[in-house]
Amino acid sequence: SQELEQSPQSLIVQEGKNLTINCTSSKTLYGLYWYKQKYGEGLIFLMMLQKGGEEKSHEKITAKLDEKKQQSSLHITASQPSHAGIYLCGATRSGAGSYQLTFGKGTKLSVIP
Amino acid sequence: GAVVSQHPSRVICKSGTSVKIECRSLDFQATTMFWYRQFPKQSLMLMATSNEGSKATYEQGVEKDKFLINHASLTLSTLTVTSAHPEDSSFYICSAVGQGPYEQYFGPGTRLTVT
Repeated sequence: SQELEQSPQSLIVQEGKNLTINCTSSKTLYGLYWYKQKYGEGLIFLMMLQKGGEEKSHEKITAKLDEKKQQSSLHITASQPSHAGIYLCGATRSGAGSYQLTFGKGTKLSVIP
Repeated sequence: GAVVSQHPSRVICKSGTSVKIECRSLDFQATTMFWYRQFPKQSLMLMATSNEGSKATYEQGVEKDKFLINHASLTLSTLTVTSAHPEDSSFYICSAVGQGPYEQYFGPGTRLTVT
């Protein structure tokens, strides 16, 4: 079965600093989702990547999928307290049409004002 | 964006009783919904796939007689935890597949505590 490893497990940064979260898969990624979760709440969709080398940005968050489609990174520029939360990467299990997701354990981000 | 609601948000029940959790897609029709379970500091684990008008598909290791899933309409799926035990205490989250490709929206989750 596919496993997703996220690193780091937790991260504390000063407001204004940049940071990167990584998600590594044991198998080829057909679809890679990034979500943000506040503790005890649901998931907020951030971005979805499919193609090797793909990069997407939304506001100050950029997500990339490497050419081999086995690693994705999420980069936050000039972090703000509102960025704090748990970031989860999720991968579709197989090719097109699959929506069942396998998730990593998450990266807890704290931003110090 | 599309909205998925869950009810209740929190529930406490006694061991041996059953509890029903609802998942609704508020502004779109969802032929497929998923139920996930999340333990503290753990990842979300897929429990089952709920398809409107047909039986749910359960993941390996998930007891279908204990976690009853009904997807009676295009906007509602329910998860019933039967004869709940303290080890069933967890955070249950549903998601619904949207209209566009690869769109999947998550509910806010339901915290179940079995005493």
